[in-house]
Amino acid sequence: DADVTQTPRNRITKTGKRIMLECSQTKGHDRMYWYRQDPGLGLRLIYYSFDVKDINKGEISDGYSVSRQAQAKFSLSLESAIPNQTALYFCATSDLGGTGETQYFGPGTRLLVL
Amino acid sequence: GQQLNQSPQSMFIQEGEDVSMNCTSSSIFNTWLWYKQDPGEGPVLLIALYKAGELTSNGRLTAQFGITRKDSFLNISASIPSDVGIYFCAGHEGNYQLIWGAGTKLIIKP
Repeated sequence: DADVTQTPRNRITKTGKRIMLECSQTKGHDRMYWYRQDPGLGLRLIYYSFDVKDINKGEISDGYSVSRQAQAKFSLSLESAIPNQTALYFCATSDLGGTGETQYFGPGTRLLVL
Repeated sequence: GQQLNQSPQSMFIQEGEDVSMNCTSSSIFNTWLWYKQDPGEGPVLLIALYKAGELTSNGRLTAQFGITRKDSFLNISASIPSDVGIYFCAGHEGNYQLIWGAGTKLIIKP
Protein backbone atom coordinates (compact mmCIF):
# COMPACT_ATOMS: atom_id res chain seq x y z
CA ASP A 1 0.00 0.00 0.00
CA ALA A 2 1.12 3.53 -0.75
CA ASP A 3 2.49 5.54 2.17
CA VAL A 4 0.85 8.79 1.02
CA THR A 5 -2.57 8.62 -0.61
CA GLN A 6 -4.69 11.33 -2.16
CA THR A 7 -8.36 11.37 -3.03
CA PRO A 8 -9.80 11.98 -5.50
CA ARG A 9 -7.19 11.34 -8.20
CA ASN A 10 -9.14 13.35 -10.74
CA ARG A 11 -11.89 15.93 -10.34
CA ILE A 12 -13.84 18.17 -12.67
CA THR A 13 -15.85 20.95 -11.12
CA LYS A 14 -17.50 24.24 -12.01
CA THR A 15 -16.55 27.77 -11.10
CA GLY A 16 -17.85 28.74 -7.67
CA LYS A 17 -18.10 25.22 -6.30
CA ARG A 18 -16.45 24.16 -3.05
CA ILE A 19 -13.94 21.37 -3.42
CA MET A 20 -12.02 19.34 -0.86
CA LEU A 21 -8.93 17.31 -1.64
CA GLU A 22 -7.84 14.79 0.94
CA CYS A 23 -4.48 13.38 1.91
CA SER A 24 -3.66 10.50 4.22
CA GLN A 25 -0.29 9.08 5.23
CA THR A 26 0.87 5.98 7.02
CA LYS A 27 4.49 7.09 7.40
CA GLY A 28 3.95 8.51 10.87
CA HIS A 29 5.37 11.86 9.82
CA ASP A 30 4.51 15.05 11.65
CA ARG A 31 4.99 17.41 8.72
CA MET A 32 2.55 17.60 5.84
CA TYR A 33 2.39 19.88 2.80
CA TRP A 34 0.15 20.82 -0.07
CA TYR A 35 1.70 21.82 -3.39
CA ARG A 36 0.36 22.92 -6.70
CA GLN A 37 2.05 22.05 -9.98
CA ASP A 38 1.55 23.98 -13.19
CA PRO A 39 3.43 23.24 -16.43
CA GLY A 40 6.82 24.93 -16.50
CA LEU A 41 6.56 26.27 -12.97
CA GLY A 42 7.62 23.31 -10.90
CA LEU A 43 6.01 22.91 -7.48
CA ARG A 44 4.62 25.79 -5.45
CA LEU A 45 3.78 25.48 -1.77
CA ILE A 46 0.18 26.27 -0.77
CA TYR A 47 0.07 25.36 2.93
CA TYR A 48 2.11 23.32 5.36
CA SER A 49 1.63 21.86 8.82
CA PHE A 50 4.34 20.79 11.25
CA ASP A 51 1.90 19.08 13.60
CA VAL A 52 -1.82 18.85 14.29
CA LYS A 53 -1.97 22.27 15.95
CA ASP A 54 0.28 24.04 13.47
CA ILE A 55 -0.91 25.44 10.12
CA ASN A 56 1.11 27.85 7.99
CA LYS A 57 0.58 29.63 4.71
CA GLY A 58 2.92 28.90 1.86
CA GLU A 59 3.78 30.84 -1.24
CA ILE A 60 0.32 30.78 -2.87
CA SER A 61 -2.30 30.31 -0.13
CA ASP A 62 -4.91 32.78 -1.45
CA GLY A 63 -8.11 31.00 -2.44
CA TYR A 64 -7.23 27.88 -0.44
CA SER A 65 -7.73 26.65 3.11
CA VAL A 66 -6.56 23.53 4.94
CA SER A 67 -7.48 21.36 7.87
CA ARG A 68 -5.19 19.00 9.79
CA GLN A 69 -7.68 16.58 11.24
CA ALA A 70 -5.09 14.21 12.66
CA GLN A 71 -1.41 13.49 12.32
CA ALA A 72 -2.19 11.28 9.35
CA LYS A 73 -4.71 13.52 7.56
CA PHE A 74 -4.36 16.89 5.88
CA SER A 75 -7.08 18.23 3.59
CA LEU A 76 -7.05 21.13 1.15
CA SER A 77 -10.19 23.09 0.33
CA LEU A 78 -11.04 25.46 -2.47
CA GLU A 79 -13.93 27.46 -1.03
CA SER A 80 -15.04 28.85 -4.38
CA ALA A 81 -13.14 27.27 -7.24
CA ILE A 82 -12.00 29.39 -10.19
CA PRO A 83 -10.57 28.27 -13.54
CA ASN A 84 -6.99 29.36 -12.78
CA GLN A 85 -6.98 26.83 -9.95
CA THR A 86 -6.92 24.12 -12.59
CA ALA A 87 -3.71 22.28 -11.80
CA LEU A 88 -2.13 19.15 -10.41
CA TYR A 89 -2.15 19.10 -6.61
CA PHE A 90 0.29 17.12 -4.51
CA CYS A 91 0.36 16.27 -0.85
CA ALA A 92 3.72 15.51 0.76
CA THR A 93 4.98 14.43 4.16
CA SER A 94 8.30 14.67 5.90
CA ASP A 95 9.97 13.93 9.18
CA LEU A 96 12.86 16.14 10.09
CA GLY A 97 15.78 13.84 10.72
CA GLY A 98 19.21 14.46 12.09
CA THR A 99 20.73 15.10 8.69
CA GLY A 100 17.92 17.13 7.16
CA GLU A 101 14.49 16.79 5.71
CA THR A 102 13.22 14.95 2.67
CA GLN A 103 9.66 15.01 1.44
CA TYR A 104 7.59 12.08 0.21
CA PHE A 105 4.81 12.74 -2.25
CA GLY A 106 1.38 11.33 -2.93
CA PRO A 107 0.29 10.45 -6.48
CA GLY A 108 -1.45 13.78 -7.05
CA THR A 109 -4.96 15.04 -7.74
CA ARG A 110 -5.68 16.46 -11.16
CA LEU A 111 -8.28 19.23 -10.83
CA LEU A 112 -10.11 20.90 -13.71
CA VAL A 113 -12.26 23.93 -12.96
CA LEU A 114 -14.64 24.83 -15.77
CA GLY B 1 8.27 33.25 -5.23
CA GLN B 2 11.86 32.17 -5.17
CA GLN B 3 12.88 29.35 -7.44
CA LEU B 4 16.08 27.65 -8.27
CA ASN B 5 17.53 28.08 -11.74
CA GLN B 6 17.41 24.59 -13.22
CA SER B 7 18.84 23.81 -16.64
CA PRO B 8 18.32 22.66 -19.23
CA GLN B 9 14.56 22.98 -19.37
CA SER B 10 14.35 19.93 -21.59
CA MET B 11 16.71 17.41 -23.14
CA PHE B 12 16.37 15.06 -26.06
CA ILE B 13 18.45 11.97 -25.46
CA GLN B 14 19.23 8.74 -27.21
CA GLU B 15 19.42 5.51 -25.35
CA GLY B 16 22.93 4.97 -24.05
CA GLU B 17 23.85 8.64 -23.82
CA ASP B 18 25.05 10.27 -20.61
CA VAL B 19 22.90 13.10 -19.28
CA SER B 20 23.80 16.07 -17.14
CA MET B 21 21.61 18.72 -15.55
CA ASN B 22 22.21 21.33 -12.88
CA CYS B 23 20.66 23.79 -10.49
CA THR B 24 21.96 27.08 -9.19
CA SER B 25 20.74 29.42 -6.50
CA SER B 26 21.56 32.97 -5.50
CA SER B 27 21.83 31.99 -1.84
CA ILE B 28 23.57 29.28 0.15
CA PHE B 29 21.67 26.04 0.60
CA ASN B 30 22.00 23.50 3.41
CA THR B 31 20.44 20.61 1.53
CA TRP B 32 20.09 19.65 -2.12
CA LEU B 33 17.59 17.05 -3.27
CA TRP B 34 16.95 15.51 -6.65
CA TYR B 35 13.51 14.11 -7.52
CA LYS B 36 12.07 12.38 -10.57
CA GLN B 37 8.46 12.61 -11.65
CA ASP B 38 6.93 10.04 -13.99
CA PRO B 39 3.75 10.93 -15.90
CA GLY B 40 0.70 10.78 -13.64
CA GLU B 41 2.74 10.30 -10.50
CA GLY B 42 4.15 12.38 -7.69
CA PRO B 43 7.86 13.22 -7.49
CA VAL B 44 10.06 10.48 -6.04
CA LEU B 45 13.27 11.23 -4.21
CA LEU B 46 16.39 10.04 -6.06
CA ILE B 47 19.30 11.49 -4.13
CA ALA B 48 19.69 13.71 -1.06
CA LEU B 49 22.84 15.75 -0.40
CA TYR B 50 23.64 17.33 2.95
CA LYS B 51 27.26 18.54 2.85
CA ALA B 52 29.20 20.83 0.54
CA GLY B 53 31.30 18.79 -1.85
CA GLU B 54 29.32 15.62 -1.21
CA LEU B 55 29.16 13.26 -4.18
CA THR B 56 26.50 10.56 -3.98
CA SER B 57 25.47 7.82 -6.36
CA ASN B 58 22.29 5.84 -6.76
CA GLY B 59 22.82 3.24 -9.46
CA ARG B 60 23.50 5.08 -12.72
CA LEU B 61 22.70 8.42 -11.09
CA THR B 62 25.33 10.63 -9.49
CA ALA B 63 24.71 13.97 -7.83
CA GLN B 64 27.02 16.50 -6.20
CA PHE B 65 26.54 19.28 -3.69
CA GLY B 66 28.61 22.20 -5.00
CA ILE B 67 31.50 23.52 -2.94
CA THR B 68 30.02 27.03 -2.96
CA ARG B 69 26.73 25.53 -1.63
CA LYS B 70 24.94 27.44 -4.38
CA ASP B 71 24.70 24.70 -6.96
CA SER B 72 24.22 21.01 -7.58
CA PHE B 73 24.32 18.73 -10.57
CA LEU B 74 22.80 15.39 -11.48
CA ASN B 75 24.35 13.00 -13.98
CA ILE B 76 22.73 9.94 -15.49
CA SER B 77 25.04 7.50 -17.20
CA ALA B 78 24.08 5.22 -20.10
CA SER B 79 20.48 6.38 -20.26
CA ILE B 80 17.67 3.88 -20.79
CA PRO B 81 14.07 4.45 -21.92
CA SER B 82 12.67 4.41 -18.38
CA ASP B 83 14.82 7.43 -17.52
CA VAL B 84 12.38 9.71 -19.34
CA GLY B 85 10.41 11.99 -17.08
CA ILE B 86 10.82 15.29 -15.31
CA TYR B 87 13.72 15.76 -12.92
CA PHE B 88 13.45 18.38 -10.18
CA CYS B 89 16.09 19.83 -7.96
CA ALA B 90 15.07 21.20 -4.57
CA GLY B 91 16.88 22.63 -1.61
CA HIS B 92 16.67 24.12 1.85
CA GLU B 93 18.17 27.47 2.76
CA GLY B 94 17.89 26.56 6.42
CA ASN B 95 14.25 27.22 7.18
CA TYR B 96 11.21 25.03 6.71
CA GLN B 97 10.50 25.64 3.07
CA LEU B 98 11.79 23.44 0.31
CA ILE B 99 12.58 25.56 -2.75
CA TRP B 100 12.06 23.89 -6.13
CA GLY B 101 13.53 24.19 -9.57
CA ALA B 102 11.17 24.28 -12.56
CA GLY B 103 12.28 20.84 -13.75
CA THR B 104 14.24 19.26 -16.59
CA LYS B 105 12.20 17.14 -18.95
CA LEU B 106 14.02 14.16 -20.49
CA ILE B 107 12.68 12.97 -23.82
CA ILE B 108 13.85 9.99 -25.87
CA LYS B 109 14.77 10.84 -29.46
CA PRO B 110 12.73 8.79 -31.92
